[in-house]
Parts: sequence; structure tokens; C-alpha cells
Amino acid sequence: GAVVSQHPSRVICKSGTSVKIECRSLDFQATTMFWYRQFPKQSLMLMATSNEGSKATYEQGVEKDKFLINHASLTLSTLTVTSAHPEDSSFYICSADRGTDSYEQYFGPGTRLTVT
Amino acid sequence: AQRVTQPEKLLSVFKGAPVELKCNYSYSGSPELFWYVQYSRQRLQLLLRHISRESIKGFTADLNKGETSFHLKKPFAQEEDSAMYYCALNPYYGGATNKLIFGTGTLLAVQP
Repeated sequence: GAVVSQHPSRVICKSGTSVKIECRSLDFQATTMFWYRQFPKQSLMLMATSNEGSKATYEQGVEKDKFLINHASLTLSTLTVTSAHPEDSSFYICSADRGTDSYEQYFGPGTRLTVT
Repeated sequence: AQRVTQPEKLLSVFKGAPVELKCNYSYSGSPELFWYVQYSRQRLQLLLRHISRESIKGFTADLNKGETSFHLKKPFAQEEDSAMYYCALNPYYGGATNKLIFGTGTLLAVQP
């Protein structure tokens, strides 16, 4: 149990367009979902924390108008990269937990975004 | 500032040799520390948590508050241990969020 999926696994978009990445918890309800960004050969950098039904909490330096996060249900969170630029090209990973009594985060497989 | 440091990007050992993956953290409170592992072509998954004090796949890690370290150890490495290992810290231990701060990771390569 505790599987998290992401869609798409890989996406290429043109500069200036927007792209949406979905994160789903398949067999559990995720109170909180997290969005990370990973640069090549670097660590995971937390971008934002999203709770179902409320606004996401963004980490310092992350533009909330650039990276729109919607957590509409207990099983789905979406990250929309708006007006994408080549520097937004990266590996985006989501994770989810079961709630405050659960310490473990369950990670998705990641989405490779390439902006041309 | 809250920070997790993994000084080694790559650690290469021979099968059967002991392994120690280093992790140091910077945090003034009582942190919750984890080791996550990512095998080739797989997603990140939890290996162990300092509170549980378990041995998972032969790995152990002890929290040393005096040295602010949480090194991961295994007495005899196996080839299947080859993976990327990330040390992570939750600065809100016991709080309302499970936010994680990750180290840069260490790639463990176990040679036959």
C-alpha cells in the first residue's frame, strides 16, 4: 500500500506555455502533499507543502504565481508551471503523507520537465 | 539555519566491507532524522527513522546529538545495497507537519 503516482512522467513544452503535473495517492488519503524539485546530481529541494482544501505553503524563494499548486481532494494535488522558461527544466517529485500521526512520506516517481 | 550535510557524493566499497555513510545536521531543536534510499530506476523510499532504532536491511543509524550526526552503517555491504542514500531532517518533530530537509545524497557503489 501507500503508492503515489505522477503524471506525466516526462513532458516537453515550449517556452511561454504552461504545464500541469498531477500527483495522486492511489490507495490512501493524503492529508498533506509535498512538491520537490531536483536538479541534476543535486538534492531534493522542497518547493511547497499543500494541504487539502487550503492554500499551499511555499518555501522561501519559490514563486507562488509561477508554480501554482492545487490540492483539490485528499488524493490529488497538481503543480502548474506557468509561463515556463528553459530554467524551469528540472525533475519534479511529489510526496504524500497520511497525516500528522504518520512520519513517513511516500514519493512519486517524478516528472521530467523540459522547456524548449 | 536548518541544514543537512552529506560530505561524500560517492562511496565505493567492495562486497563484504563495512559501510558508513556520513550525515551531519544543523538544527537547534530536537530533530527527527531519517535515511531515505533510491535504488536504480526506482522512487525514493524510507529506509529508517532515528526514533524507531530499527535495523533495516542490515543498516543502522544512531543519532549523536553531541556531534549532530546521524551516520548510516552496515557491517557487511552487499551488491544490492548500491543506491543513492539521502539523509533527511524534519525540523517540526511532534508538530503539525512532516516537512523534510534533504542532504545532497551519497551514491553507494558496492563492487563485487
